[in-house]
Amino acid sequence: DTEVTQTPKHLVMGMTNKKSLKCEQHMGHRAMYWYKQKAKKPPELMFVYSYEKLSINESVPSRFSPECPNSSLLNLHLHALQPEDSALYLCASSQVESQGYEQYFGPGTRLTVT
Amino acid sequence: SQQGEEDPQALSIQEGENATMNCSYKTSINNLQWYRQNSGRGLVHLILIRSNEREKHSGRLRVTLDTSKKSSSLLITASRAADTASYFCATDPGTYKYIFGTGTRLKVLA
Repeated sequence: DTEVTQTPKHLVMGMTNKKSLKCEQHMGHRAMYWYKQKAKKPPELMFVYSYEKLSINESVPSRFSPECPNSSLLNLHLHALQPEDSALYLCASSQVESQGYEQYFGPGTRLTVT
Repeated sequence: SQQGEEDPQALSIQEGENATMNCSYKTSINNLQWYRQNSGRGLVHLILIRSNEREKHSGRLRVTLDTSKKSSSLLITASRAADTASYFCATDPGTYKYIFGTGTRLKVLA
């Protein structure tokens, strides 16, 4: 199974809501990533988990809160978002190797903040 | 910004023609990867080239890497309508912090 799944596919939320994005992989990958992508722009790295521990936080506002409950799951908790946070949120996973590793991406969650 | 630059930003060709897109980056790297993204969907890994490699092939794809110029190119031969997508290079300076280039939007006309 070389698939990364993400739920939900689409999410519309108000600025006072709390919601969560979910990501799952069963490839045995021990690195998992969250990216944010605006229209016609490249993905921007938000967080990296390695062996279920947060290893990189790219100065992301605290209204985004990642969680890695186990080696297969990655969540992104959202609270008090702003309209400019509307974007495609991509999850990815990879092996943990020092000499390069391809990332497997999920289809993304299209988030709209109203 | 450490973001890589790709050119052209957009490319429109006829089916059967070759498509070449270029990526330039700013820092030294361990490897460089190319990804394809169909409209509004997840990215698909195409090819990885390590810093000690100069050229790599995969099917109709040919990637070159020139670390002295900090640049890479992706050639798609005999393009098909299904190749219509955005193509991104991604560089790894030695951490998990993959940095994606600005992307090339390729349109292949049938």
